[in-house]
Amino acid sequence: EVQLVESGGGLVQPGGSLRLSCAASGFDYSTYSMNWVRQAPGKGLEWISYISGGTGTIRYADSVKGRFSISRDNPKNSLYLQMNSLRAQDTAVYYCVRDSTWSFDHWGQGILVTVSS
Amino acid sequence: QSALTQPRSVSGSPGHSVTISCIGSNSDVGLYKYVSWYQQRPGKAPKLLIYDVSKRPSGVPDRFSGSKSGNTASLTISGLQVDDEADYYCCSSAGTYTWVFGGGTKVTVL
Repeated sequence: EVQLVESGGGLVQPGGSLRLSCAASGFDYSTYSMNWVRQAPGKGLEWISYISGGTGTIRYADSVKGRFSISRDNPKNSLYLQMNSLRAQDTAVYYCVRDSTWSFDHWGQGILVTVSS
Repeated sequence: QSALTQPRSVSGSPGHSVTISCIGSNSDVGLYKYVSWYQQRPGKAPKLLIYDVSKRPSGVPDRFSGSKSGNTASLTISGLQVDDEADYYCCSSAGTYTWVFGGGTKVTVL
């Protein structure tokens, strides 16, 4: 069974940093591209970052470019999102999402990040 | 990377059909065949319903169907059930390895 479990969320002050992790299991992790998708409270879904299976290709949404950094450790079956210069608008539930045939076929349960003083 | 446009809400009676539109542009929906749809129940993670415009993953009932014409994609739910009450999101490729979602549509079963 595919499982994606996020961790590392919490309360952080504006301008601060946070690192999210996602532990993957139940599939051949290194062969799948992965993404982070977020959802602000009461709002819709927003794709924010992509990383290919071999880490050769990385993409960001304009809203986080230059502030967030995606990475992965294939031997550890882990995905990361380093978030710097956080703003109130970054407050959201962050989902770790597996990419399959150009769609998002498995989602983690989500982790809440709150940016507030 | 402008969000795709969806109606905020649609409603229908049990057994009837509803269709949710997803309006994009020549840079996303109109350009790529990679349109997908997701169902999200309150407090839960989204679930993939449709990929590649009209394909259903294993386990998704054939009451859910997708289509596309020009810059507009559509999701139709036939034989509406109370259990179908949820938020629905469309998503399109918007370039190489980038995606854009719609604003979401709340489906209410009357």
